[in-house]
Amino acid sequence: GDSVTQMEGPVTLSEEAFLTINCTYTATGYPSLFWYVQYPGEGLQLLLKATKADDKGSNKGFEATYRKETTSFHLEKGSVQVSDSAVYFCALSVNTGRRALTFGSGTRLQVQP
Amino acid sequence: EAGVTQFPSHSVIEKGQTVTLRCDPISGHDNLYWYRRVMGKEIKFLLHFVKESKQDESGMPNNRFLAERTGGTYSTLKVQPAELEDSGVYFCASGQTGGARYEQYFGPGTRLTVT
Repeated sequence: GDSVTQMEGPVTLSEEAFLTINCTYTATGYPSLFWYVQYPGEGLQLLLKATKADDKGSNKGFEATYRKETTSFHLEKGSVQVSDSAVYFCALSVNTGRRALTFGSGTRLQVQP
Repeated sequence: EAGVTQFPSHSVIEKGQTVTLRCDPISGHDNLYWYRRVMGKEIKFLLHFVKESKQDESGMPNNRFLAERTGGTYSTLKVQPAELEDSGVYFCASGQTGGARYEQYFGPGTRLTVT
């Protein structure tokens, strides 16, 4: 079946540090890939997405590139801020008509001033 | 435009009791999904409505869970009787048909604690 594996947290960084959160996947079909973020007390928000190989999704300074050869979709940001503290979820959806998302377990990021 | 809303935000019940969670999707969204996150693990799909019809309920864990979507608007998820392992955060999401492919908008979740 489909699955998503992401690095376990928590990840603690100082402000302006470089962020990488690893995400790899297995899928029965050709997936679309997503990063969702959950800020404290809020719901999940779509952060970025990529729908085909080599696509780069980007938003709010975050980037992730769809790597089919390594089945990966790692999240990166060059300089994190305290306001980026949240839980980040990698997810996929396979183009089989079933629109359900398959999520990873989430990675908590804590950015210290 | 109002986002997806869920009620209650937190519910604490005893084992064996019944709880009903409610989700109000974004107006005009035909697709409505339920997910849950148990014990800090991954978020897992429960079911998918298209309007009032259940499109996919393959993620429902057992027959103690009953989901409905009256008139294709809001949805309820009833757990009866609740067990300890049902504790977790239940998320609802909605999306348009024909909109950005697979884009789902999530609510803040309902935290269910079964004691």
